[in-house]
Amino acid sequence: AQKITQTQPGMFVQEKEAVTLDCTYDTSDQSYGLFWYKQPSSGEMIFLIYQGSYDEQNATEGRYSLNFQKARKSANLVISASQLGDSAMYFCAMREGLSQAGTALIFGKGTTLSVSS
Amino acid sequence: KAGVTQTPRYLIKTRGQQVTLSCSPISGHRSVSWYQQTPGQGLQFLFEYFSETQRNKGNFPGRFSGRQFSNSRSEMNVSTLELGDSALYLCASRSSSRGGEFGYGYTFGSGTRLTVV
Repeated sequence: AQKITQTQPGMFVQEKEAVTLDCTYDTSDQSYGLFWYKQPSSGEMIFLIYQGSYDEQNATEGRYSLNFQKARKSANLVISASQLGDSAMYFCAMREGLSQAGTALIFGKGTTLSVSS
Repeated sequence: KAGVTQTPRYLIKTRGQQVTLSCSPISGHRSVSWYQQTPGQGLQFLFEYFSETQRNKGNFPGRFSGRQFSNSRSEMNVSTLELGDSALYLCASRSSSRGGEFGYGYTFGSGTRLTVV
């Protein structure tokens, strides 16, 4: 079974509109972290936002917010006021067993976001 | 501070050859991880090193190996290259193997794009 599921292969949005990128996850760990990364065509993975499993409030970083619904195992990324530069691939990722050493990031398949003017 | 540096950025190799990729982490970061990204398989974890010790290894054949030096720089080696090894190889560093900045997350480099012909 997939640990991270991103069901939207591609999303299209107009400038200044908000967009939600979906992510569901599967884990039996109590302690885990959820991440969103942006990957432009250059290839670099750019960290956007983090949510810990024990964090009670949804994470926010500027125009990015994470809609964390623990019971539903959902961690959707919300981008407010989209910009042309937001066009990229977006990956949701999870790290289980945060107190342990050496645990890896598990990535979803990604969502391609295209922002038009 | 300088980010994660991966060299070279691009490589073209012939089937059967071997290749070595290099990653210099952010100064002070002691944990380095490697990921392979392909269109078909997405992002897959290769291995993580911390203080010159391999802490975790993904499900890759023994042709994939790595090491970390005392200055935290890391190399990964792929021997007897196959066409399927063509991929973007991403390196990521963290300040420790457990906690660290970005909420236990990683800072990625721009990757090395390997093409096997």
